[in-house]
Amino acid sequence: DTEVTQTPKHLVMGMTNKKSLKCEQHMGHRAMYWYKQKAKKPPELMFVYSYEKLSINESVPSRFSPECPNSSLLNLHLHALQPEDSALYLCASSQDGPGRNEQFFGPGTRLTVL
Amino acid sequence: DAKTTQPNSMESNEEEPVHLPCNHSTISGTDYIHWYRQLPSQGPEYVIHGLTSNVNNRMASLAIAEDRKSSTLILHRATLRDAAVYYCILRDVGSSNYKLTFGKGTLLTVNP
Repeated sequence: DTEVTQTPKHLVMGMTNKKSLKCEQHMGHRAMYWYKQKAKKPPELMFVYSYEKLSINESVPSRFSPECPNSSLLNLHLHALQPEDSALYLCASSQDGPGRNEQFFGPGTRLTVL
Repeated sequence: DAKTTQPNSMESNEEEPVHLPCNHSTISGTDYIHWYRQLPSQGPEYVIHGLTSNVNNRMASLAIAEDRKSSTLILHRATLRDAAVYYCILRDVGSSNYKLTFGKGTLLTVNP
């Protein structure tokens, strides 16, 4: 199984809502990532988890809260988002270790904040 | 991360070879050259990577210049399914940094 799954596929939320994005992989990968991609722009890294511990936070606002409950799951909790947070949110995973390991991406969750 | 430069867009005809260039003049000795592509409405997918020697896999070939300051991704026979944004990315193999820093990429259009 070389698949990263993400749910939901689409999400519309108001600025006062609390919602969560979910990502799952069963490849035994110990590094997991969240990226944000605005329309017609490249993906931008938000967070990296290594062995279920947060290793990189790219100065992301606290209204985005990541969580890695186990080695297969990665969540992104959303609260009090702004309309400019509307984007495609991509999850990825890779084997442990830096450098040359390829990242496997999910299809993304398209988020619209009203 | 060392910077890469790619053309904004390229066009090809179906079943013809495609050569996608990437310049990385500030590449360091421990930087691997990675290529990813992103098809419309999908997440990026890994294509190929290399360090110094040319590399082949089932998807593409990667030709690396002798001075490593440039590389070329080669799709041997383009299909309509190869229409995507192609990203050339440098990753330091020795770094503990897991970051994958995407540039603007090249939008490849394949004509039938």
